Amino acid sequence: DAGVIQSPRHEVTEMGQEVTLRCKPISGHNSLFWYRQTMMRGLELLIYFNNNVPIDDSGMPEDRFSAKMPNASFSTLKIQPSEPRDSAVYFCASSSGLARKNEQFFGPGTRLTVL
Amino acid sequence: GESVGLHLPTLSVQEGDNSIINCAYSNSASDYFIWYKQESGKGPQFIIDIRSNMDKRQGQRVTVLLNKTVKHLSLQIAATQPGDSAVYFCAENWAGTALIFGKGTTLSVSS
Repeated sequence: DAGVIQSPRHEVTEMGQEVTLRCKPISGHNSLFWYRQTMMRGLELLIYFNNNVPIDDSGMPEDRFSAKMPNASFSTLKIQPSEPRDSAVYFCASSSGLARKNEQFFGPGTRLTVL
Repeated sequence: GESVGLHLPTLSVQEGDNSIINCAYSNSASDYFIWYKQESGKGPQFIIDIRSNMDKRQGQRVTVLLNKTVKHLSLQIAATQPGDSAVYFCAENWAGTALIFGKGTTLSVSS
């Protein structure tokens, strides 16, 4: 099993540019989570999906952030326009079952730097 | 807002010693807790979990203790090894909410 796959692993962009992060969850998992990690704020949940439907997006910082899950094997997190304060490591995680209490498997993360 | 915090940001131990990493949580309604380990350049990895109807749970070399009276959670690692060096996060959850993560404790194991 390849685990959760994220791309790109590193992204450097300039302020104002659009950034798209990608995630492929573990096959058979029906819950997918996007997190952001910074030294100041730690690990924060941005949004999570169950059966491709967004369930809780209260952690999405503002309208510049959007996430989609068009099918069970793919999700994107988009930032448009990006700002320097968006610089962070973004993790995708997936789990089986409906409850968040099921173990979440994390991907390797995308390190985003916005100049 | 609710928060999960850690008593110490860093912990340094000698190989072979037992390690204890602490975590305080603020929401008495939390009913599920998880410890994650994050190695440099990797995503968090599940270590062990515990539900609020338990006060202790053991895994391989790890034990989680839950004290609901003082809202305290701890992770004990027996015979700490260099491979245990990482950042450890506790996370809490209660019905209808997402996991809330603490900021993490860095465990450094020296040989």
